Amino acid sequence: GQQLNQSPQSMFIQEGEDVSMNCTSSSIFNTWLWYKQDPGEGPVLLIALYKAGELTSNGRLTAQFGITRKDSFLNISASIPSDVGIYFCAGQLGGANSKLTFGKGITLSVRP
Amino acid sequence: DGGITQSPKYLFRKEGQNVTLSCEQNLNHDAMYWYRQDPGQGLRLIYYSQIVNDFQKGDIAEGYSVSREKKESFPLTVTSAQKNPTAFYLCASTRQGSIQPQHFGDGTRLSIL
Repeated sequence: GQQLNQSPQSMFIQEGEDVSMNCTSSSIFNTWLWYKQDPGEGPVLLIALYKAGELTSNGRLTAQFGITRKDSFLNISASIPSDVGIYFCAGQLGGANSKLTFGKGITLSVRP
Repeated sequence: DGGITQSPKYLFRKEGQNVTLSCEQNLNHDAMYWYRQDPGQGLRLIYYSQIVNDFQKGDIAEGYSVSREKKESFPLTVTSAQKNPTAFYLCASTRQGSIQPQHFGDGTRLSIL
């Protein structure tokens, strides 16, 4: 089946630093989504990407839909302590109500 | 406020017992989903429903059952056949035919006594 690869499993950065996370797949997707999950809560959508090559920003977050449709990256600039959490990528092949395939997530820690 | 409500937040199950997790949404969404999350793992799809009175198995449906009698409700039953039920369960929903991504509830953590 389809799988999304996110690595490393954990990242540790200093407050104020930028961080970039990759998500790769052996299969193509039509939609890429990035979610953030805080402990004990559900994932919250950060950015949705719908077109190959698309670059989208949401505040200090920027994400891109890879041209091959097999990868995406998320960049967080000038990190702050509340950026701590688990960041998941998800790919979708069909329309909005089709199944999502999730990566295993990257746990981000930010040192003050 | 519109949203997805999961209850209870924490649930304990005895061996051999069935338990039901509630998921209600007032977003008028057509499609609803149940995911299971284990530590260090991505979300895995258990069941999904695109319309009332219809649902399909996801990737890990064994030991689970669902119903969709009302548009706003999609309860998940964890049966005694599920031998490793301890996990965080997440419900999501979205509108059919739109490009709107799935939005999630805050989850139910199920543990075995």
